[in-house]
Amino acid sequence: DAGVIQSPRHEVTEMGQEVTLRCKPISGHDYLFWYRQTMMRGLELLIYFNNNVPIDDSGMPEDRFSAKMPNASFSTLKIQPSEPRDSAVYFCASTTGQSSYEQYFGPGTRLTVT
Amino acid sequence: GNSVTQMEGPVTLSEEAFLTINCTYTATGYPSLFWYVQYPGEGLQLLLKATKADDKGSNKGFEATYRKETTSFHLEKGSVQVSDSAVYFCALSDTGANSKLTFGKGITLSVRP
Repeated sequence: DAGVIQSPRHEVTEMGQEVTLRCKPISGHDYLFWYRQTMMRGLELLIYFNNNVPIDDSGMPEDRFSAKMPNASFSTLKIQPSEPRDSAVYFCASTTGQSSYEQYFGPGTRLTVT
Repeated sequence: GNSVTQMEGPVTLSEEAFLTINCTYTATGYPSLFWYVQYPGEGLQLLLKATKADDKGSNKGFEATYRKETTSFHLEKGSVQVSDSAVYFCALSDTGANSKLTFGKGITLSVRP
């Protein structure tokens, strides 16, 4: 079975540019989570969806960040405009409400903003 | 609110040494408890879980027991290998049906030959 798929794996961009990160959850999973990981702040939950609907976006740092889930098999996290402090590894994870809530993580996207 | 506290790291051990990584939690209700492992350059993977008090989760030689009386879920392994070098995260599920996990800060384990 394919796991959670994220693209791109690495992204290098200049400050001020728009960045779009993509995620395909495991088929049948109805929850999708976006996390950010940095050395300074550790693992942070940014936003999560249930059945394509955003449930909690309190972790989104500011208005420059937005996330969408247009269907059950695809989600995007967009940063516009990007800043150097957004440099981090961004993870997507999914789970099903029928499980004991264990989450399955993608390999992550390493974002570098110069 | 819910929280997970892990011991400070990093931890460096010699191969075949005994490992204990402490984890305590604060939660309302009866959460499920998890240990995740992150190998270099990869995403987090579920290592083991326990869904109710006194349950023992185990996988790959690692064990952890859900202790409600001490609100703990310490990770142990009798003999670590170099391949166990990774970052370990303790986590709990929020009660209710929202599937949200609360993670500890993680601890880096390095095992030297």
